[in-house]
Amino acid sequence: KNEVEQSPQNLTAQEGEFITINCSYSVGISALHWLQQHPGGGIVSLFMLSSGKKKHGRLIATINIQEKHSSLHITASHPRDSAVYICAVTGNQFYFGTGTSLTVIP
Amino acid sequence: KAGVTQTPRYLIKTRGQQVTLSCSPISGHRSVSWYQQTPGQGLQFLFEYFSETQRNKGNFPGRFSGRQFSNSRSEMNVSTLELGDSALYLCASSLESRNQPQHFGDGTRLSIL
Repeated sequence: KNEVEQSPQNLTAQEGEFITINCSYSVGISALHWLQQHPGGGIVSLFMLSSGKKKHGRLIATINIQEKHSSLHITASHPRDSAVYICAVTGNQFYFGTGTSLTVIP
Repeated sequence: KAGVTQTPRYLIKTRGQQVTLSCSPISGHRSVSWYQQTPGQGLQFLFEYFSETQRNKGNFPGRFSGRQFSNSRSEMNVSTLELGDSALYLCASSLESRNQPQHFGDGTRLSIL
């Protein structure tokens, strides 16, 4: 049983496209995190949400607490956005999704 | 401001040995969490330390342990290493809890022969 489910698992987009990655969770949470991992392992925290919506540059994250669902949107995608995006939730523990591998083609 | 520093970056051990990994958090951060990442299981939470006390623990056997020092630096120990312990071990720090933005180190890649 996976406490956090992400979709899609893999995503290929053309440069400039609008991208959406979805995350659903089944546990009670205090916060939801979106993480970015580039090849080589380094992880960067993009957003931490407990309600509503946050925007940073071309990235937007939303969360619907009632539906236990979050989305990460990338507007005007660029090849440098190519990475694995991981959704994680903090409740009693820290639960992670399996990640969405994004490739943006020039 | 220096980021989260993990040492060593790479480590090769044999089955049955033990290993200690180190994590220095960002200055002022008091919460340190440890994670294991493998191709098969993805990222999994090991434990979180705050003010030298383990605050939360994931579902790992007792061979995995940790501690935190008064300067917030943390160490993780794995005893009686098994082949399945081969993984990237990541540490992350935050000001006070997992419910705050996490700052990750580059990880220690542990290979068990």
